[in-house]
Amino acid sequence: GIQVEQSPPDLILQEGANSTLRCNFSDSVNNLQWFHQNPWGQLINLFYIPSGTKQNGRLSATTVATERYSLLYISSSQTTDSGVYFCATTPGAGSYQLTFGKGTKLSVIP
Amino acid sequence: DTGVSQDPRHKITKRGQNVTFRCDPISEHNRLYWYRQTLGQGPEFLTYFQNEAQLEKSRLLSDRFSAERPKGSFSTLEIQRTEQGDSAMYLCASSLGVQPHFGQGTRLTVV
Repeated sequence: GIQVEQSPPDLILQEGANSTLRCNFSDSVNNLQWFHQNPWGQLINLFYIPSGTKQNGRLSATTVATERYSLLYISSSQTTDSGVYFCATTPGAGSYQLTFGKGTKLSVIP
Repeated sequence: DTGVSQDPRHKITKRGQNVTFRCDPISEHNRLYWYRQTLGQGPEFLTYFQNEAQLEKSRLLSDRFSAERPKGSFSTLEIQRTEQGDSAMYLCASSLGVQPHFGQGTRLTVV
C-alpha cells in the first residue's frame, strides 16, 4: 500500500515563529489532505490539496504531486496551534480509504 | 450542522466481552467511515459506507469486527471477544465530498 512519511516528528516553537511541516508519499496519490488533532483528540480537516497551493489565514499548504510531497506552512504560530498535524491520502481514484502519516507533534510555547 | 456524534465516549470492558459503538453522522452526509487510532500513531482506516452499502473494508477488520449502517444514517461498530490489542480510540467520520468530518471518538480500554 501507499506509504506516507511526515517530518519532523516533533517540533517546538516559540509563539510567533513560523514553521514548515513536510509530507512525502510513495506513489501517485489522490485526495491529499492535512488535518490537525488538538490536545483533546479532535481531528479537524485543514486542507484538501491534491495539487497546487491553498491558503487559509495563517496556514497554507502546497502539494507537488509530480515530486510526491506536500508542505504545510504555519505562520505567526499561536499556542492554539499546538497538537498533531497529519497528512493523509487515498491510493487512487474512487477510493475513500485515507492512509495517514504518523504526524508531526507541534508544541507552541508562550 | 451538529457535527459527528459518537457514543459512548469511553468504554472499559473485560477481555472476551463484546462491545458496540454508535456513530451519528452529519445529517446530509452520505459517506461514513470508521478509523482506529492507537497512541502515537495516525488513524488507521477500518471501513467505509456510502449510504447503507459497505464499499471498502481494511484487512485490519478481522472477523471479530463488524460494522453496519442499516438505513444509511447512523452506524454501529461491534467488536466481539475483545482482546487487549483492541484498546484504542475508535473514530467515526462522515462526508458529502472527499473531506471527512471526524467525531470525538470512543476510547476503548480492554482490561
